Amino acid sequence: EILLTQSPATLSVSPGETATLSCRASQTIRNNLAWYQQKPGQAPSLLIYHASTRATGVTAKFSGTGSGTEFTLTISSLQSEDVAVYYCQQYNNWPPYTFGQGTKLEIK
Amino acid sequence: QVQLQQRGAGVLKPSETLSLTCVVSGGSFSGYYWSWIRQTPGKGLEWIGHINHGGTTYYNPSLESRATISIDTFQRQFSLIMSSVAAADTAIYYCARGRVLVLGTYIDSWGQGSLVTVSS
Repeated sequence: EILLTQSPATLSVSPGETATLSCRASQTIRNNLAWYQQKPGQAPSLLIYHASTRATGVTAKFSGTGSGTEFTLTISSLQSEDVAVYYCQQYNNWPPYTFGQGTKLEIK
Repeated sequence: QVQLQQRGAGVLKPSETLSLTCVVSGGSFSGYYWSWIRQTPGKGLEWIGHINHGGTTYYNPSLESRATISIDTFQRQFSLIMSSVAAADTAIYYCARGRVLVLGTYIDSWGQGSLVTVSS
């Protein structure tokens, strides 16, 4: 089973600044990684797939990079609406698909 | 625009059977994996399993002995049955749609979630 480790657990960033979230895989998953955003009280929603492709309707302020075992989600020009928990998910080795434990993004 | 509407939830006693259904409206029903995923504060997001239009299923090995996913293409719905529930099965259960890829799937649509509580 692939273990995904996200860091940091909590990230506090000032409005207008850029947030950088990390996801590390326990073994190579090539670029078979997705990122999700989960706002309070809601289901997760897809942001990025194939490590760097934005999902339909997702703004360019969200960008994903990485391959192999190291991945990054970057969120620019932070606003209050970006407060959420962000999860990564691998789909290279399954079953099972696995998720990271999440990074909680806060606005200072 | 696909919509996934979940039915079933509530409180179960230990050893009872969990039953959830997801009704799909809009979009194509074929060409996707139809998944069940659960979320707990302790374990986070956990993939339970998925089924395709033809009825082929895959399960998380940790839950395979207790979970059964079925599909009704005529009614455009799929279901999860999980037997012998315990307190550790208390979670929000999501149905979801995944794109069929050469390798695996990512989730592009989610249901609203159903809270299942297991308590004596």
